[in-house]
Amino acid sequence: DSGVTQTPKHLITATGQRVTLRCSPRSGDLSVYWYQQSLDQGLQFLIQYYNGEERAKGNILERFSAQQFPDLHSELNLSSLELGDSALYFCASSVGVGATDTQYFGPGTRLTVL
Amino acid sequence: SQQGEEDPQALSIQEGENATMNCSYKTSINNLQWYRQNSGRGLVHLILIRSNEREKHSGRLRVTLDTSKKSSSLLITASRAADTASYFCATVPGERAGGTSYGKLTFGQGTILTVHP
Repeated sequence: DSGVTQTPKHLITATGQRVTLRCSPRSGDLSVYWYQQSLDQGLQFLIQYYNGEERAKGNILERFSAQQFPDLHSELNLSSLELGDSALYFCASSVGVGATDTQYFGPGTRLTVL
Repeated sequence: SQQGEEDPQALSIQEGENATMNCSYKTSINNLQWYRQNSGRGLVHLILIRSNEREKHSGRLRVTLDTSKKSSSLLITASRAADTASYFCATVPGERAGGTSYGKLTFGQGTILTVHP
């Protein structure tokens, strides 16, 4: 158990809908990262927050948005869902914002868009 | 797009044998990391090697890095059935590649390792 929690574990929804994925980082960690894992794209970095501020952005779609709250939990919002958004979404956390900080991954949320 | 390409895509060995996985990348890096993923579960950090290091050990793991060839290898010695998993290399870009000190990991496609008892 990494100490990172993600809810829900599974989510099934329809195209065009909007969902929110939630992540609670390990106690004491200030950075939160979001990754998407799909069969065709592999593991892709989406976005990073540090202490409430966005710090790095990957190939995150405009339909996706995220935020980190004052209590450091984070939410990833996915809207206008398409079939291709079906994937495993991982949250990770680390103590700092540096390149060598170990990232601890949560168990993931499996999103299925029908 | 993926920074790293891993080789082989799949590896099947017997318990007790050594397993070697290779990773190649394209741009300059700050560091390279290896992760393990058990069947659709979260990733577990195994080891990190900085761009100025050539070799690193952790238990049964040995990682090498050749920045001139932009490649790394992960060796698992005396493998066990419990080592069965997917293994991913991930890179953090260096300054020359336009990276920052932020921990943006770029993953390879992974190697599926199966260790038979």
